[in-house]
Amino acid sequence: GENVEQHPSTLSVQEGDSAVIKCTYSDSASNYFPWYKQELGKRPQLIIDIRSNVGEKKDQRIAVTLNKTAKHFSLHITETQPEDSAVYFCAAPAAGGYQKVTFGTGTKLQVIP
Amino acid sequence: GAVVSQHPSWVICKSGTSVKIECRSLDFQATTMFWYRQFPKQSLMLMATSNEGSKATYEQGVEKDKFLINHASLTLSTLTVTSAHPEDSSFYICSASPPRGRGNTIYFGEGSWLTVV
Repeated sequence: GENVEQHPSTLSVQEGDSAVIKCTYSDSASNYFPWYKQELGKRPQLIIDIRSNVGEKKDQRIAVTLNKTAKHFSLHITETQPEDSAVYFCAAPAAGGYQKVTFGTGTKLQVIP
Repeated sequence: GAVVSQHPSWVICKSGTSVKIECRSLDFQATTMFWYRQFPKQSLMLMATSNEGSKATYEQGVEKDKFLINHASLTLSTLTVTSAHPEDSSFYICSASPPRGRGNTIYFGEGSWLTVV
C-alpha cells in the first residue's frame, strides 16, 4: 500500500513569512495528491489538490508542487496569517482507488503574530 | 458541494458497553464509505471500507469483531464500537465520495469524539 511521509512535524513562522511542508509517497502509480487543513476537533478541510498531469497548482496564497520522478510534493503558503495556524496533512490515494487516502503524519503550523 | 453528516458529534460511554456512530451522505448515493480513527495529536488512520450490501473490508490490525460496520443503504453506514474500553477513546471520522463524474473530491463527516470511561 501507499506510504506517505511528511516533514516537518511542527513549523513556526512569523506572520507574513512563507511556510513549506513536504511529503513523499511510495506508490509511483498514485495520481492525486490533496492537502488538508484540520483545526482541533474538526474534520479535515481540503485546501488544494494536484493531479499527476501537472507540476504546480496555485490558489491565492497557497500552492502545491509535484515532482513525480522523485515522488514528492510540497505545500507552500505565502504571506502567512495567524488564521493559517492549524495542522496540515498531505495525502495520497490508498490502494484500491481514489475514494480513500493515506494521510501523512501531519504538520502543526503556528503563525506568530 | 456534497455533504456527509456524522452523528453523534461526541459520546461518552462506560467501559464494556457498545456505541454506534452513523455516517450519512445527504445528497448523493455512496456505495462505499470509509472510516478513519484519529488519536490526539496523530494522523488519521484508515480503519475500514464500508461496502453497501456486503461485508466491510478492514485494514490490517483493525479488529472486525470490535468495530462492526453496517452499510445497509446507499446513504448510511454505521460503525459500532463493541465492548468499548478506554483505549478506544478517539476521534472517529467517516468519508464518502460522489460517483465519478461529479469529481473525485472526498467529503468527510464532522467526526465523532468517543470517550470511554
